[in-house]
Amino acid sequence: EPEVTQTPSHQVTQMGQEVILRCVPISNHLYFYWYRQILGQKVEFLVSFYNNEISEKSEIFDDQFSVERPDGSNFTLKIRSTKLEDSAMYFCATGGGGGANTEAFFGQGTRLTVV
Amino acid sequence: GQNIDQPTEMTATEGAIVQINCTYQTSGFNGLFWYQQHAGEAPTFLSYNVLDGLEEKGRFSSFLSRSKGYSYLLLKELQMKDSASYLCAVTRDDKIIFGKGTRLHILP
Repeated sequence: EPEVTQTPSHQVTQMGQEVILRCVPISNHLYFYWYRQILGQKVEFLVSFYNNEISEKSEIFDDQFSVERPDGSNFTLKIRSTKLEDSAMYFCATGGGGGANTEAFFGQGTRLTVV
Repeated sequence: GQNIDQPTEMTATEGAIVQINCTYQTSGFNGLFWYQQHAGEAPTFLSYNVLDGLEEKGRFSSFLSRSKGYSYLLLKELQMKDSASYLCAVTRDDKIIFGKGTRLHILP
């Protein structure tokens, strides 16, 4: 069964460092999302990406965040200068193989710890 | 903006039936997802409702009333493995917005 793959599964970084989280979407999917979940809290929308550009982003997704599909396959989330409060589980989700928002499948997540 | 409400916690007994409600207020509503999330894991897709009515999928059913801004997830023949959080999420435009989730505890 096709699945969304995220790497790394865990990342520990020092405050102020840049991190790149990677996602390999399901192959025929057209819509890509990043979410984060702080421990014990709800899943929060960060950004959606369609047709090689950002289609929606939340207030959380400020200038420190960026997304791209560098090789038409991987979908990456970059945090330029990490803060302690960026510590969370980051989930990539992809969907839209049968049209926008008909299904969205999540990767297993990257646990980011900023120290 | 959008507002999604669901109970924080519920408890039910193995073998019983439980209904988890979700109410929402959002402009530009497209449809509503239910996801299951076990602790420390990713959400997994359960259902997606666009039209009014009930959709059944095995032990799980999901209902939507667009006019009332209301959905529920019905779980039958509860099993211990159903202990998890259940996330209601609405879609508008190109984003999916999640509620805070309902943590379901199953008692033997």
